[in-house]
Amino acid sequence: EIVMTQSPATLSVSPGERATLSCRASQNIGSNLAWFQQKPGQAPRLLIFRASTRATGIPGGFSGSGSGTEFTLTISSLQSEDVAVYYCQQYKNWPLTFGQGTKVEIK
Amino acid sequence: EVQLVETGGGLIQPGGSLRLSCAASGFTVSSNHMGWVRQAPGKGLEWVSVLYTGGTTYYADSVKGRFTISRDDSKNTLYVQMNSLRAEDTAVYYCAKRHSSDWTFDHWGQGTLVTVSS
Repeated sequence: EIVMTQSPATLSVSPGERATLSCRASQNIGSNLAWFQQKPGQAPRLLIFRASTRATGIPGGFSGSGSGTEFTLTISSLQSEDVAVYYCQQYKNWPLTFGQGTKVEIK
Repeated sequence: EVQLVETGGGLIQPGGSLRLSCAASGFTVSSNHMGWVRQAPGKGLEWVSVLYTGGTTYYADSVKGRFTISRDDSKNTLYVQMNSLRAEDTAVYYCAKRHSSDWTFDHWGQGTLVTVSS
């Protein structure tokens, strides 16, 4: 099973500042990585697939990068509505696995 | 507009059975790969099962042999039959539609809570 490790567990960012979230895979997954946003009481929302492609309707302030084992999700200018838990997910191999999440909050 | 609505959750005793339903609209379930993902209270996301359009299924080791994913094409509905339920199966269960090109999920239901407790 491929283990996904996200860091940090919690990220506090001032409004308008950049937020950088990390996700590491325990083995090479190429670009088979997605990012999700989950707000309290809501279902996850797909942000990024194939490591760097924005999903339909996702604003340009969200961007993904990386390949192999190291990946990054960047929120270019944090807004209050971006407060959420963010998860990465690999789909290189079965079982599909998620990271444990990074909670993004406003400083 | 794509919509997924899960029903069937509730309180069930350990060892019991429950069937969750996921009614889809705005697309055809039989033409899309579908899956279930769960989230224990206060925890992260855990993939449970997937159903390919052709009928192939995959399960997480934690549910293999106890859960069965299926669909009813006439009702455009996805199901998961959960048997021999354990306390650790307590979670919100989401059904989700696979992305058109990648094995991730681009549409999710609102989830239904399953609580396994005596």
